[in-house]
Amino acid sequence: DQQVKQNSPSLSVQEGRISILNCDYTNSMFDYFLWYKKYPAEGPTFLISISSIKDKNEDGRFTVFLNKSAKHLSLHIVPSQPGDSAVYFCAASPIPSNAGGTSYGKLTFGQGTILTVHP
Amino acid sequence: NAGVTQTPKFRILKIGQSMTLQCTQDMNHNYMYWYRQDPGMGLKLIYYSVGAGITDKGEVPNGYNVSRSTTEDFPLRLELAAPSQTSVYFCASSNGEPPYEQYFGPGTRLTVT
Repeated sequence: DQQVKQNSPSLSVQEGRISILNCDYTNSMFDYFLWYKKYPAEGPTFLISISSIKDKNEDGRFTVFLNKSAKHLSLHIVPSQPGDSAVYFCAASPIPSNAGGTSYGKLTFGQGTILTVHP
Repeated sequence: NAGVTQTPKFRILKIGQSMTLQCTQDMNHNYMYWYRQDPGMGLKLIYYSVGAGITDKGEVPNGYNVSRSTTEDFPLRLELAAPSQTSVYFCASSNGEPPYEQYFGPGTRLTVT
């Protein structure tokens, strides 16, 4: 049962254009959603996050949109640069299971999307 | 700050051998995690720890063991290595607070033949 899905294995865009990476989830109990970027032979690095009570969060060229009714989030990169070429993972963290409890910050990851930005 | 460090970077094991993957963080994080990443797949949680002396299973714990004797270190032990454990292993740490950002090490590429 894959709770977080990235249905596009790869995406190719031209430098300067917009990149849109998509992610769907099935668990309505997710609290925070995060995007990570991964270069070859390196560990994932945190990019941007969004709380389930918001529908948009922006950080420079990166914007994450959350549509809770559709259980869908997307990452927009504008303008795309060749250095953005990497694997992008979305991840989600659950709401603590009881009052005063903790989710222990556990994340469920999607399969990743390979983004290639052509000069 | 070095962040999260992992050793070794690469390792080839024969079936049935054992090894320990080392992980150390210098951010004083209470929460630490071990993931494996198979080709075309996301990261799967193997084990996690919420503090020294406290560990728990993740999604794919079979064939692995962990210990947490200090805040800084969270080694992952593979006993009786099998080809199915060929993967890239990542260690991560976090402060356990929203937005639950985890800091990852560079990974260990393990091949079992």
